[in-house]
Amino acid sequence: QQKVQQSPESLIVPEGGMASLNCTSSDRNVDYFWWYRQHSGKSPKMLMSIFSNGEKEEGRFTVHLNKASLHTSLHIRDSQPSDSALYLCAARTQVVGQLTFGRGTRLQVYA
Amino acid sequence: GGIITQTPKFLIGQEGQKLTLKCQQNFNHDTMYWYRQDSGKGLRLIYYSITENDLQKGDLSEGYDASREKKSSFSLTVTSAQKNEMAVFLCASSLDRSSYEQYFGPGTRLTVL
Repeated sequence: QQKVQQSPESLIVPEGGMASLNCTSSDRNVDYFWWYRQHSGKSPKMLMSIFSNGEKEEGRFTVHLNKASLHTSLHIRDSQPSDSALYLCAARTQVVGQLTFGRGTRLQVYA
Repeated sequence: GGIITQTPKFLIGQEGQKLTLKCQQNFNHDTMYWYRQDSGKGLRLIYYSITENDLQKGDLSEGYDASREKKSSFSLTVTSAQKNEMAVFLCASSLDRSSYEQYFGPGTRLTVL
């Protein structure tokens, strides 16, 4: 079973809409989450990271973390067609030097 | 800033062939990684290296070897290519074992005939 589960698998939102992506870890040793964005044919690029309970906002992007449930979510407001990409959630465990990635959520924003 | 380069960009091999993928970084990062990404899917860790001459197996290491002879380079060998091996192989690096922000290379797309 995947240790990092993302939902939904794919998401379609209109331009200007809100996109909400979820990620949960089943590994109780996880203490840090990252969100990466990967445009088609490109390599993943780090978007945001979070390790404290609560939320963190950077421009149109907000990340939430609930450490008790090991659940993080990424919210994109005022979605743009350029936000269309594969969004990967990664979790750090206490195994030094290793991240575990989820399968990703494919976001499509239509004009 | 820095950059990660991967060679070749496209690699075509025959089933059963031994194939080598190369990765170079000029970030001066200690830790380097090899991931496999199947079409449109997430990343699975094959090998990583915390420092020069160190090798650590990931979840997908069977069928692969790795080599980290220099701090700046990390090679991955597919020991016997299989048809279901077709995927993109991504190399990444991070500053050190405590820094988990990873920077990725452009990838090598492997096709096995």
